[in-house]
Amino acid sequence: DIVMTQSPDSLAVSLGERATINCKSSQSVLSSSNNKNYLAWYQQKPGQPPKLLIYWASTRESVVPDRFSGSGSGTDFTLTIGSLQAEDVAVYYCQQYYSTPYTFGQGTKLEIK
Amino acid sequence: EVQLVESGGGLVQPGGSLRLSCAASGFTFSSYWMHWVRQAPGKGLVWVSRINPDGSTTNYADSVKGRFTISRDNAKNTLYLQMNSLRAEDTAVYYCAGGSNGDYRVFDPWGQGTLVTVSS
Repeated sequence: DIVMTQSPDSLAVSLGERATINCKSSQSVLSSSNNKNYLAWYQQKPGQPPKLLIYWASTRESVVPDRFSGSGSGTDFTLTIGSLQAEDVAVYYCQQYYSTPYTFGQGTKLEIK
Repeated sequence: EVQLVESGGGLVQPGGSLRLSCAASGFTFSSYWMHWVRQAPGKGLVWVSRINPDGSTTNYADSVKGRFTISRDNAKNTLYLQMNSLRAEDTAVYYCAGGSNGDYRVFDPWGQGTLVTVSS
């Protein structure tokens, strides 16, 4: 199984500042056949189901604000929130879909400083 | 509006069975891969199972293989998860999720979840 490891486990960022969450996979999730990274990011607010933010490592869902961006390739990925808003308080998860079983990172809890 | 609504959760004794349902609306259910993902209380997300659009292909996490069965009724726009030989470690909120338009292995949309508690 591919193990996904996120860092940090939690972070506190001031409103308007940048938040960065890292995700590392135990093996590459980059496909040589299509040059795509099989990596997605989700946001989960308290008491709610997860919400898809980004897939293919950097493709943002249409309804997701453009302050959210994804980057990285191979085994190392980053979710960046460009200017933190109060409504961004949540737990964020990365997920690989390169192979089954699909696996998630342990989550990163984002709070306001 | 795209919607997934789970039902069937509850309290069950170890070794017991439960069948979860997920009613889909607002999209062409029969065209999409579907998944079950679970989340133990206070813990992270764990993929459980997937099924292809016509129900001919299914896959499971090792932790549930041989005990859980995913199925679907496209005429009723409903996804199921039959859970047998339940264990305490199966206690979780179970979410159904669709395979997204971006890729069938990415989860979107999600239902609100149904809680399964395995305890004596």
